[in-house]
Formats: sequence, C-alpha cells, structure tokens
Amino acid sequence: GQQLNQSPQSMFIQEGEDVSMNCTSSSIFNTWLWYKQDPGEGPVLLIALYKAGELTSNGRLTAQFGITRKDSFLNISASIPSDVGIYFCAGHLGNEKLTFGTGTRLTIIP
Amino acid sequence: AAGVIQSPRHLIKEKRETATLKCYPIPRHDTVYWYQQGPGQDPQFLISFYEKMQSDKGSIPDRFSAQQFSDYHSELNMSSLELGDSALYFCASSYLAGGPETQYFGPGTRLLVL
Repeated sequence: GQQLNQSPQSMFIQEGEDVSMNCTSSSIFNTWLWYKQDPGEGPVLLIALYKAGELTSNGRLTAQFGITRKDSFLNISASIPSDVGIYFCAGHLGNEKLTFGTGTRLTIIP
Repeated sequence: AAGVIQSPRHLIKEKRETATLKCYPIPRHDTVYWYQQGPGQDPQFLISFYEKMQSDKGSIPDRFSAQQFSDYHSELNMSSLELGDSALYFCASSYLAGGPETQYFGPGTRLLVL
C-alpha cells in the first residue's frame, strides 16, 4: 500500500527559529493535508493542498504540494512555544481514507 | 464554528467487554471516518461511511462494527475487547459532495482495556 515518509522524526529548536519538515510518498496523491496534534487530542487541520505546485500560507505556516504529486513540505516561521506538538502530513488519491505520515515531533528549547 | 463531537472522551473497559463510541460530524458533512491511534503511532484508518453506506474499509477487526445513522452520526461498536484495543479512537468528517475533500477530526475517545 501507499507509504508516507515524513522527516525529520523530531526537531529541537529555539523559539524564533524557522522550521521545515517534509513528506514523500511512493505514490501520487491528489490532496495533501497537514495536521498538528497535541497529546491526547485530535489532529487539527493546518493547511489543505489540492493542486500540484500549489503554495498555500496560513499565518506563519506555509505548505507546498510538490509538482510530482509525491511530496509536500511545511514551513513554520518564527516559532513560538505553542507550536510544540506533533505534525502529521496526510494524503489521499480520491474520496477515500487518509494515509498519514509518521509524524514530526517539534520541541522548543527555552 | 461547530466541530466533530465524540463521546465518551474516556472509557475504561475490561477484557471481553463491549464498548460503543459515538461520533457526531460537523453539520452538513456527509462522510464519517474512524481511525485508531496507538501510542506513538500515526492514525490508522478503520472504516468510513458516506450517506449512511459503508464507503471504505481499512484495518478494522471483525470484532468491531460501525454504522452511520439517518442523522449522520456514527457509532463504532467494539466487542470481545482485548488489551491491544487500548488506543485513541478518532472520528473525522468531511463534506464529500462539496468538492475536494478535507477531513476534520474530533477530539477522540481514549479507550483503556484492563
């Protein structure tokens, strides 16, 4: 089946730094979604991407749908303490289940 | 804005018992998905319903069943519970008839099987 490789697995950064994470797939997707999950809570949608090459921003977050439809990246600028959490990429080909990436755990060092 | 509602938020059961998890999708959403997330894992798809019909099936054990009702809420029924069923269970909803699909997740039900 489809697999999403997400990297890095974890990041330790200082407040104010920029963050970059990405996902690659063995297959193409029609939709890429980025979620943030806090411990014990449900994933919260950050950005949705629907077209190859699409670059979308949501405040300090920017994400891009790779032109090959097999990858996506998420950037967070000027990180703040509330950015701490686990970030998941997810994709699907059509009207079907989401396939999730393995997650990137973001920790901010005081 | 209204979000996906799940109940209960926490549930403790013993082995071989049954459990029922409920999900109330965002108003006007026509599709419901169930996911299971183990500790340190990403969510794994279990089953989905579109307009009250099962639309896709993932790694859902035969001991589990689910349905979507006429008001679009969904219930996940889990029988003969095992220790390994302890996990976070998420429901997500989307408006499939509205175009490109975006799934919105509920807060989850934490199930602990003793």
